[in-house]
Amino acid sequence: EIVLTQSPGTLSLSPGERATLSCRASLSIRNSYLAWYQQKPGQAPRLLIYGASSRATGIPDRFSGSGSGTDFTLTISRLEPEDFAVYYCQQYDSSPLTFGGGTKVEI
Amino acid sequence: EVQLVESGGGLVQPGRSLSLSCTASGFTFDDYTMHWVRQLPGRGLEWVSGITSNSGAIAYADFVKGRFIISRDNAKNSLYLHITRLRPEDTAFYYCAKARRVEGVRWALFDSWGHGTLVTVSS
Repeated sequence: EIVLTQSPGTLSLSPGERATLSCRASLSIRNSYLAWYQQKPGQAPRLLIYGASSRATGIPDRFSGSGSGTDFTLTISRLEPEDFAVYYCQQYDSSPLTFGGGTKVEI
Repeated sequence: EVQLVESGGGLVQPGRSLSLSCTASGFTFDDYTMHWVRQLPGRGLEWVSGITSNSGAIAYADFVKGRFIISRDNAKNSLYLHITRLRPEDTAFYYCAKARRVEGVRWALFDSWGHGTLVTVSS
């Protein structure tokens, strides 16, 4: 099983600032089969990024993903008020599908 | 617009069984792999199970240990999860999720989610 470790657990920032979230895998993930999701309180997760760096439909370009192998990053270039949420990474290289523990981006 | 609506959650005693349903609309249901993902209260996301479009392949998380059964009825655009021998640690929101197709990958990622149904296991 591929274990994903996200850091930091909580990121305290202000609107307009840049957010950098990390996701580290216990094994190398082939073909960058890594996705990122955003979840706001009381809502279902929403797909942001797939293939490590491709934005899902309708996702603003302030969200970008990068990385390969075991180290991946989600960057939010300039935080908008609606971006304060919890972010999860997920690998789909192998079963069982696994998620990271999440990073909360708070004001 | 893709819509996934879960139902069937509620308060259940330990050891009992429960069946969850997910009704899909807005896409060709029988073209897509579907999944259940759960979220324990205040915790992260945990993949539970997936089923391919024609039910030809099914996968479960290790913690399921034979207690969960996933199924689907393409004629009814519906996905199901039957949970037996419920435990307090099964208390969670259960989400139905539509898979995004990835060439050569059977179990991939989730591009649409329902709002979830809460299962509470307590005496």
